[in-house]
Amino acid sequence: DTEVTQTPKHLVMGMTNKKSLKCEQHMGHRAMYWYKQKAKKPPELMFVYSYEKLSINESVPSRFSPECPNSSLLNLHLHALQPEDSALYLCASSQVEGNQPQHFGDGTRLSIL
Amino acid sequence: QKEVEQDPGPLSVPEGAIVSLNCTYSNSAFQYFMWYRQYSRKGPELLMYTYSSGNKEDGRFTAQVDKSSKYISLFIRDSQPSDSATYLCATLPATGFQKLVFGTGTRLLVSP
Repeated sequence: DTEVTQTPKHLVMGMTNKKSLKCEQHMGHRAMYWYKQKAKKPPELMFVYSYEKLSINESVPSRFSPECPNSSLLNLHLHALQPEDSALYLCASSQVEGNQPQHFGDGTRLSIL
Repeated sequence: QKEVEQDPGPLSVPEGAIVSLNCTYSNSAFQYFMWYRQYSRKGPELLMYTYSSGNKEDGRFTAQVDKSSKYISLFIRDSQPSDSATYLCATLPATGFQKLVFGTGTRLLVSP
């Protein structure tokens, strides 16, 4: 079992729906990340939070909205997604932002109808 | 040219074989090197984390970094069917935050 927990494991939604992905870690890490992974490709960075503040946004469309309510939780709010947004969404954490190993959750597999 | 090159495979070996997985990188600023294992429908699992050149061993796994040739390797001894997965190499520079740079991943198949 991973120490980064993501819910739900699977999500199917229509293009007009609003949903949220959740991520939780209890390792005391102060940096948390959202990645998107398409089939047979490596993960692509979307957002970085450092000490609960948004540090990096990799030019992600505004239909993806991240939120970090506290040091253990990370959310990704989804609205008006497109079929090409179907992918595995991975959360990761590290002790601090920088040259620390990142630990990944098992992801949420998202399908957009 | 990609910053990190990795043969996508698949690499098929019999159980018990020694497996060698490799990546090359182009940016000499990279100082931290990681290997992740990813099973189907799971997230990447950190296997090895090394700094600069040298070897690091953990059980059946050995990570090797040769900065002079910009070459990183993961060796798996006595491979098992449960080692069948995609292996991703990743690197980071020495200072400041920059995003993990991943290789494309190598799919490994270990047959009984």
